Amino acid sequence: ETGVTQTPRHLVMGMTNKKSLKCEQHLGHNAMYWYKQSAKKPLELMFVYNFKEQTENNSVPSRFSPECPNSSHLFLHLHTLQPEDSALYLCASSPAQGGTNTGELFFGEGSRLTVL
Amino acid sequence: QQQVKQSPQSLIVQKGGISIINCAYENTAFDYFPWYQQFPGKGPALLIAIRPDVSEKKEGRFTISFNKSAKQFSLHIMDSQPGDSATYFCAASISNYQLIWGAGTKLIIKP
Repeated sequence: ETGVTQTPRHLVMGMTNKKSLKCEQHLGHNAMYWYKQSAKKPLELMFVYNFKEQTENNSVPSRFSPECPNSSHLFLHLHTLQPEDSALYLCASSPAQGGTNTGELFFGEGSRLTVL
Repeated sequence: QQQVKQSPQSLIVQKGGISIINCAYENTAFDYFPWYQQFPGKGPALLIAIRPDVSEKKEGRFTISFNKSAKQFSLHIMDSQPGDSATYFCAASISNYQLIWGAGTKLIIKP
């Protein structure tokens, strides 16, 4: 496999469920990101991990809990979500955050989440 | 100051025409301006990017025009093709840190 892989591609969950989204990158990158994409809105950065350390948490509700066990894997644990959390969740990676790299983000295809 | 305003929200262009999408920003510290292209069911992918030391960058049919004094930049797609139908996002960042994204433009190229 190459690139950034996200699973599952689609997820339907009730408000009391606990589920997790998984992201894996095979690009040798050191920075990984979670974004939320809603229709007609800018991409919302949720979390950033740089060399496995969380460097950004953009005031994301605690019902979203990220985990980065190594530079290749990123998880987003979901618990007691609300219907307004329904969106496409995108994972991305880059060689590192900031610095002299090109700044290019490599995105996965996303996990479409529906909260009932 | 951290916003990037993108227009139009949607755009329909005839095949062979020129598609133009505009973005404006306020923060003069931004030094990296990429455009991403997203097809349905896919994640965004970098299309072309520019830094403020040049006023224009061209890659094939895609051109970024950058106006530093007006704090605006735009994407031009020449000879637009149906395969260019996608959602386009502009963005801006400082030193490759957190990208600030525009809201996207859904482009439809009519055959």
